[in-house]
Amino acid sequence: DTGVSQDPRHKITKRGQNVTFRCDPISEHNRLYWYRQTLGQGPEFLTYFQNEAQLEKSRLLSDRFSAERPKGSFSTLEIQRTEQGDSAMYLCASSSPTVLGREKLFFGSGTQLSVL
Amino acid sequence: DQQVKQNSPSLSVQEGRISILNCDYTNSMFDYFLWYKKYPAEGPTFLISISSIKDKNEDGRFTVFLNKSAKHLSLHIVPSQPGDSAVYFCAASVNFNKFYFGSGTKLNVKP
Repeated sequence: DTGVSQDPRHKITKRGQNVTFRCDPISEHNRLYWYRQTLGQGPEFLTYFQNEAQLEKSRLLSDRFSAERPKGSFSTLEIQRTEQGDSAMYLCASSSPTVLGREKLFFGSGTQLSVL
Repeated sequence: DQQVKQNSPSLSVQEGRISILNCDYTNSMFDYFLWYKKYPAEGPTFLISISSIKDKNEDGRFTVFLNKSAKHLSLHIVPSQPGDSAVYFCAASVNFNKFYFGSGTKLNVKP
């Protein structure tokens, strides 16, 4: 397992701009999750995929947020018209729940977004 | 809806002593629980897990206890080491679907 990779590590943007983050999960992990974490809080669920299918999206996620996993491998998370309240660490995780030992979430290092 | 709660934002213990981190949950359907450790500017790393069919799981210095009737789990670290200083999150899921996380407990192990 080479680990979950996220790019970029840091992103600074101005309010109103669009941003896109990428996540490469551990190969052969069929589940991919996006979480958001703010200071003093635990990771908050945003959405998750099984292969290329988006299975669930948080009710807290506004329509400015969209995620894709086009071929069931890497995923992108786009935020349109960013707001200062979007500033957070965006975490990606992958798992393979049918394989013993892989049912836990393996997290990437995250993308720290700052909206000025 | 805060389904997983960690009511102690911080904990300080002396090196060599036991650290006990607590977690409560409200959803009786949760059947799989995990503990994660997180350093600043890094993603959480997995520590230990427990299925609802068990009440205890050990891995080296780390032991997780599950009390289903009280909807409570705890993580014991014995002996605590300065390198254990980090933020600890508990998480829970139903059938390995989405995972709910607590707000974390910051552990400080003093040399």
